[in-house]
Amino acid sequence: AQKITQTQPGMFVQEKEAVTLDCTYDTSDQSYGLFWYKQPSSGEMIFLIYQGSYDEQNATEGRYSLNFQKARKSANLVISASQLGDSAMYFCAIRAGGYQKVTFGTGTKLQVIP
Amino acid sequence: GAVVSQHPSRVICKSGTSVKIECRSLDFQATTMFWYRQFPKQSLMLMATSNEGSKATYEQGVEKDKFLINHASLTLSTLTVTSAHPEDSSFYICSARDGKGGNYGYTFGSGTRLTVV
Repeated sequence: AQKITQTQPGMFVQEKEAVTLDCTYDTSDQSYGLFWYKQPSSGEMIFLIYQGSYDEQNATEGRYSLNFQKARKSANLVISASQLGDSAMYFCAIRAGGYQKVTFGTGTKLQVIP
Repeated sequence: GAVVSQHPSRVICKSGTSVKIECRSLDFQATTMFWYRQFPKQSLMLMATSNEGSKATYEQGVEKDKFLINHASLTLSTLTVTSAHPEDSSFYICSARDGKGGNYGYTFGSGTRLTVV
């Protein structure tokens, strides 16, 4: 079974500053994928970034980057130059196992302060 | 890009009635559909996985007779909450897998907020 651990229930960041959201994972699969999603109060799941287990370089998508440390089984999300619109729940997730199910962590609520 | 249309977005029903939620992939074939439930301020919990034309696989603790899943075509999957009770009130969201990329193969619907009164 796969497991995602997000140890930060809530985080505050000053506007324009960078913030790191922590994520550790556990899986016995050799091939897997790691995702970060943003969920605003409307409930929709917004895809942010993806990292494959065999990708040697850290993924980047605009202001988002994924700090992938395979040996430590961590996949932290870094948001640079935070904006007020970044305030939302952030979920780390892993794709692995039969049917390639996606398992989510408990989430981190990020609040950007003006 | 890939789009999954989920309806209704909100529904209020009386206790004891059934509610059907639809997820339709608009521009791709969803070979696999995942159904999640999310209680307030909690994570998404996988309820079941369905493949087109076959029976759904339910996660441990999910009542298959209460949450009926149909995936009769590659573009439509439905979740029916039968004999709904207030404890079934939750946010239900589907995720379609197409294996062709686009958000790395997983596209979420916009979710359905179910309230049972």
